[in-house]
Amino acid sequence: GENVEQHPSTLSVQEGDSAVIKCTYSDSASNYFPWYKQELGKRPQLIIDIRSNVGEKKDQRIAVTLNKTAKHFSLHITETQPEDSAVYFCAASFGNEKLTFGTGTRLTIIP
Amino acid sequence: DTGVSQDPRHKITKRGQNVTFRCDPISEHNRLYWYRQTLGQGPEFLTYFQNEAQLEKSRLLSDRFSAERPKGSFSTLEIQRTEQGDSAMYLCASSSTGFRGDTQYFGPGTRLTVL
Repeated sequence: GENVEQHPSTLSVQEGDSAVIKCTYSDSASNYFPWYKQELGKRPQLIIDIRSNVGEKKDQRIAVTLNKTAKHFSLHITETQPEDSAVYFCAASFGNEKLTFGTGTRLTIIP
Repeated sequence: DTGVSQDPRHKITKRGQNVTFRCDPISEHNRLYWYRQTLGQGPEFLTYFQNEAQLEKSRLLSDRFSAERPKGSFSTLEIQRTEQGDSAMYLCASSSTGFRGDTQYFGPGTRLTVL
């Protein structure tokens, strides 16, 4: 089955700086890669996703890159703000099937 | 609120008791997923439905767990003879099979505590 590894497990950045979180996956059949943000006690919320026919996708301060050959994808957050502090999860799936999640990155933005 | 809803939000039970959770997906979504999340971990897949058909069940899922989606709308997850290791957040998600069909939207979860 699919296995997703996520690094780092914790990340602290100064407000205004950039944050990068990296994930690798094992199943070359996976073709959908979402990123979720989860605040304490809240539900996971989709922040951006990418499909395997695209190498990069941006949405304002958030971008995701995908390298299918190396089987890794990354989340980039620029101009970080205090409200970006949360746990971020990457995930992988084939089509509409189950998501396999990484172990999460706790991002702390230092004012 | 037109998002995914779950009931109850919190459940405390004694070991050995049975519990049942309910999930109401986004109304036009035909796929419904159950995940379990323990503290400090990512959600772990349990099972999923397309309409009323259960398409996959995790091999890690004990026979004490059963899920149904009888009319292809809401779903229930039952845990029989609960154990302390069942304590976790149980998350439900739904998606459609249209153009944006890959996006899974999560409910607020049911936090189960087994004493």
